[in-house]
Amino acid sequence: DAGITQSPRYKITETGRQVTLMCHQTWSHSYMFWYRQDLGHGLRLIYYSAAADITDKGEVPDGYVVSRSKTENFPLTLESATRSQTSVYFCASSEFLGLAGGHEQFFGPGTRLTVL
Amino acid sequence: AQKVTQAQTEISVVEKEDVTLDCVYETRDTTYYLFWYKQPPSGELVFLIRRNSFDEQNEISGRYSWNFQKSTSSFNFTITASQVVDSAVYFCALSEYNNNDMRFGAGTRLTVKP
Repeated sequence: DAGITQSPRYKITETGRQVTLMCHQTWSHSYMFWYRQDLGHGLRLIYYSAAADITDKGEVPDGYVVSRSKTENFPLTLESATRSQTSVYFCASSEFLGLAGGHEQFFGPGTRLTVL
Repeated sequence: AQKVTQAQTEISVVEKEDVTLDCVYETRDTTYYLFWYKQPPSGELVFLIRRNSFDEQNEISGRYSWNFQKSTSSFNFTITASQVVDSAVYFCALSEYNNNDMRFGAGTRLTVKP
């Protein structure tokens, strides 16, 4: 199906475990993003990627690792999960539409992660 | 860094009332983009509108309208004749031309009662 998908949709894990959240888009958008959503904070950018093999930190990158070997995939890894990483994670993709348009980001359905 | 403030945490209205959601932003860039997203109870994020910094025309789309005022750094969103289906969390967001870091406000939870 066309669009942007995330897997798993729900995940429960334990403190200290490694967890990888997957994101896949079929639009061939150059840009991909990972956000976390927490009450009172809205969405905060964790990492983004402008193209395959190009990634950069966002507002809250600590404790997370990303990679982008293929344009369509952008996995997010929590190397050693902590309770403070319990959150809803959203992946997004976009193309840069130029000076007039900027980015219009399209979001995946989200992954609800609970770290016990 | 850029910043977005949505001072209204929660708003409750009765169906058919008009409601305005406030958004105030801060940026040092002269070229930037403002967005509104809707997050219904099902959890997905739905894009509503994008506005760039050099287009201050207000926009109307059905019952939705947006008022962009650079002089007050505001990008407010009005729903006319609200409906129960408008109940959601609404996010205002800002991105700068030279920065891919989109900043979101904390969101406003709108409840429309029948």
